Amino acid sequence: AQKITQTQPGMFVQEKEAVTLDCTYDTSDQSYGLFWYKQPSSGEMIFLIYQGSYDEQNATEGRYSLNFQKARKSANLVISASQLGDSAMYFCAMREARDKLIFGTGTRLQVFP
Amino acid sequence: DAGVIQSPRHEVTEMGQEVTLRCKPISGHNSLFWYRQTMMRGLELLIYFNNNVPIDDSGMPEDRFSAKMPNASFSTLKIQPSEPRDSAVYFCASSFRRGRNGYTFGSGTRLTVV
Repeated sequence: AQKITQTQPGMFVQEKEAVTLDCTYDTSDQSYGLFWYKQPSSGEMIFLIYQGSYDEQNATEGRYSLNFQKARKSANLVISASQLGDSAMYFCAMREARDKLIFGTGTRLQVFP
Repeated sequence: DAGVIQSPRHEVTEMGQEVTLRCKPISGHNSLFWYRQTMMRGLELLIYFNNNVPIDDSGMPEDRFSAKMPNASFSTLKIQPSEPRDSAVYFCASSFRRGRNGYTFGSGTRLTVV
């Protein structure tokens, strides 16, 4: 069963606009962590943001914020003021028990001028 | 810190040959992960270690794949014999247990089996 679901294979956004990338997850653990990674065309995996399951506030890192809705098991990434350099693959990931980190299938974001 | 170091960056080998991928995690990190990335299957977790002990190898595709972590600063992923369907990018990542700062990935090894 898919534990991390990213339903948007591709997204387009105009420069300077905000965009939301969807992620839902499934776990029976009470303690878990949610991550977002960016993978540009060069291939490296870049850590963006983290949300712990017990964190009461949504995580923010600069232009990135994580819209965490625990009851809905969703952890959407919001990128504000998109830039051309934001064009990349974005992966949602979940840390389960014993630090196992699993990934969703990713969303390809294209930012156009 | 130099980050997670993987070698080689690129590997081209003939079907049937043995391939060894290497990884040096970040000093002080106690978990190490091997992932495989392909267009068809995305990012798959192959195996991970905690304190040098394999915790979960359920993602290893078959007996041709093996991984070791003889000490805290080195791990290998071996494919023997290699097949064209093993062609992929193999990533190594390390983390400090329950860390909030993410899992740090190496640059990956692009493996091509012809």
